[in-house]
Amino acid sequence: KAGVTQTPRYLIKTRGQQVTLSCSPISGHRSVSWYQQTPGQGLQFLFEYFSETQRNKGNFPGRFSGRQFSNSRSEMNVSTLELGDSALYLCASSPDRSYNEQFFGPGTRLTVL
Amino acid sequence: DQQVKQNSPSLSVQEGRISILNCDYTNSMFDYFLWYKKYPAEGPTFLISISSIKDKNEDGRFTVFLNKSAKHLSLHIVPSQPGDSAVYFCAASGYSSNTGKLIFGQGTTLQVKP
Repeated sequence: KAGVTQTPRYLIKTRGQQVTLSCSPISGHRSVSWYQQTPGQGLQFLFEYFSETQRNKGNFPGRFSGRQFSNSRSEMNVSTLELGDSALYLCASSPDRSYNEQFFGPGTRLTVL
Repeated sequence: DQQVKQNSPSLSVQEGRISILNCDYTNSMFDYFLWYKKYPAEGPTFLISISSIKDKNEDGRFTVFLNKSAKHLSLHIVPSQPGDSAVYFCAASGYSSNTGKLIFGQGTTLQVKP
């Protein structure tokens, strides 16, 4: 079974631009969560989607948004990029909402100049 | 307010010996705990988990111990191998809330020397 895939793997943007990251969960998994990893803050939860609905949201500004499609694929968008948004963005999937183990993709490394 | 803490940023052990990684938590609502391993430029890989109704879970060389009264868990790796060198994260969730949200510690970098 293929793992979680994320595209693109690397991205360079400038301040003020917006970016869209994509995540394809493991086949059959319906829950997708997004995390931001930075050296100073570690791994922080952004939001989680299940059946196309955002179920939970972390403590991030409204510039960070996401969505999930009917095939469980998910995208996250960051608008008006800031230097501090430079990070590794990780997507994780799990079979359903009662399953605790999450399986991570390789991440998208975003650099904001 | 860091709800999950890994107070040791790094740990170095000799190949064949035991590695013990520690994690403390503050939120008594957490009832499920996980350990992940992460190599550079890769996403975290799930290692082992434990429910709060247990105090020990084993999987091969990996054992996780949970002490609820102390709000402390530890991961034991026996015997340690050079391929175990990576960053280890502990994570917690409130199982009953089913929110798909994991709270991670800051990670401990394990180096296993040949």
